[in-house]
Amino acid sequence: EGHLLESGGGLVQPGGSLSLSCAASGFTFSTYAMSWVRQAPGKGLEWVSTISTGGERTFYADSVKGRFTISRDNSKNTLYLQMHSLRAEDTAIYYCAKFRSPTYSLGFDIWGQGTMVTVSS
Amino acid sequence: EIVLTQSPATLSLSPGERATLSCRASQSVNYFLAWYQQKPGQAPRLLIYDASNRATGIPARFSGSGSGTDFTLTISSLEPEDFAVYYCQQRINWPLTFGGGTKVEIK
Repeated sequence: EGHLLESGGGLVQPGGSLSLSCAASGFTFSTYAMSWVRQAPGKGLEWVSTISTGGERTFYADSVKGRFTISRDNSKNTLYLQMHSLRAEDTAIYYCAKFRSPTYSLGFDIWGQGTMVTVSS
Repeated sequence: EIVLTQSPATLSLSPGERATLSCRASQSVNYFLAWYQQKPGQAPRLLIYDASNRATGIPARFSGSGSGTDFTLTISSLEPEDFAVYYCQQRINWPLTFGGGTKVEIK
């Protein structure tokens, strides 16, 4: 069974930047599209971004478009999220998640444990 | 953007009872809907994909139904470990969206 492990979260000031990583193991990382999903404290789930298997296609929520960049390194089995111009409303647990199928379908069957991002002065 | 509305917000039931959770979409999502369970301090867990297919390892007491705009997650007989928050999610259109969640609590 696959495993995802996020890292890189922390406290950052408004307007600052942060980079998250997600290390994958136990499955063929390069054959699955991957996503980031976040959850503000006490709130529901919010999809953030998705990247195709080879990285050629990316999708973003309007709330992060132009500020966040998703990428992947299939040689390192790692997913990334670069976050710039951070706002208080970006404060959340950030999860990386794997689609159950090689395309963007069948739900997210593997989730990491999440990494907390706090944007505050 | 497709809005998913879950009801009720909270469901108070006793172990052994049947739970019926609803997810309504603002426009048709065909059958492209998934359900997740989330317990406090844990990541979500996939229960159902494509409206009615149980994910790997999910007990048979969980079932999903519906298509188009109206979907239901049913837990036939609640076990103590089933008290949690449940979310629906659509994947027919970008942006992917989640419902606001239904909390199933012990009565």
